Amino acid sequence: DAGVIQSPRHEVTEMGQEVTLRCKPISGHDYLFWYRQTMMRGLELLIYFNNNVPIDDSGMPEDRFSAKMPNASFSTLKIQPSEPRDSAVYFCASRPDRGTQETQYFGPGTRLLVL
Amino acid sequence: AQSVTQPDIHITVSEGASLELRCNYSYGATPYLFWYVQSPGQGLQLLLKYFSGDTLVQGIKGFEAEFKRSQSSFNLRKPSVHWSDAAEYFCAVGNQAGTALIFGKGTTLSVSS
Repeated sequence: DAGVIQSPRHEVTEMGQEVTLRCKPISGHDYLFWYRQTMMRGLELLIYFNNNVPIDDSGMPEDRFSAKMPNASFSTLKIQPSEPRDSAVYFCASRPDRGTQETQYFGPGTRLLVL
Repeated sequence: AQSVTQPDIHITVSEGASLELRCNYSYGATPYLFWYVQSPGQGLQLLLKYFSGDTLVQGIKGFEAEFKRSQSSFNLRKPSVHWSDAAEYFCAVGNQAGTALIFGKGTTLSVSS
C-alpha cells in the first residue's frame, strides 16, 4: 500500500493567496483527519470525516479554512485568504472503521509557508 | 480538560544507553494511549499503543511503554538506543471512539556517539 499521500509536500505563497492542500487516504479507510503542526501549539486536530461526511470541525481555526471530501479517495483543505500565521505543517491521516482500537496512519505532511 | 504533557523538550542520549521518555496525561475516561515517532521531513509513525490489558506494551523498533494509571503516565523506554532513533517522539491520548487524538508537544531525541 502506498500509504497516505499528500500534495504538495512544500508550498510557499504570499499572504492573501488561496492555498489548497490535497490528501489521498489509504484505500478502504473510512476516517480521514486533518491536523496542523506548529511550534507554538504542537499537533492539533482541525477536522475529521467519516465516510466522506465531516463529523467534527471544531478545530478549524476560522472561516478562512474549509475542508471537503468529495469521495472516499480524496480530500482538500483550503485556506482563503492565507495569512503568515497559517504557516505550519499540515498532516492528513486516515484509519479504517473496524472498531475503536484502530490506528491512525499519517501522511508525510505539507509544509506551508505564507510570506 | 484533556491534555498530554511531555515534560522533556529535548533529550540527548549516548548510543547504546537506555532511554526513557516521559508522558503524563489528563483524561476523564479510560484513556487510549499512543506513542508516535516523527523523523525529519516525515509523517508520524506509530510505535505502540495501549487500549487495555497488560500495562506493559511492546512496540516496533525495540520500544516499550508502561501504563501506570495511578500516576497518569505512559512512559516510553528502550534499553539500548541506536543513532537511527534520533527523531521527535509524540505521546497521544485518544477517545474511546477512536477519533480524536490529543498530542503532547513532543520530545526531540538526539543520540550522541
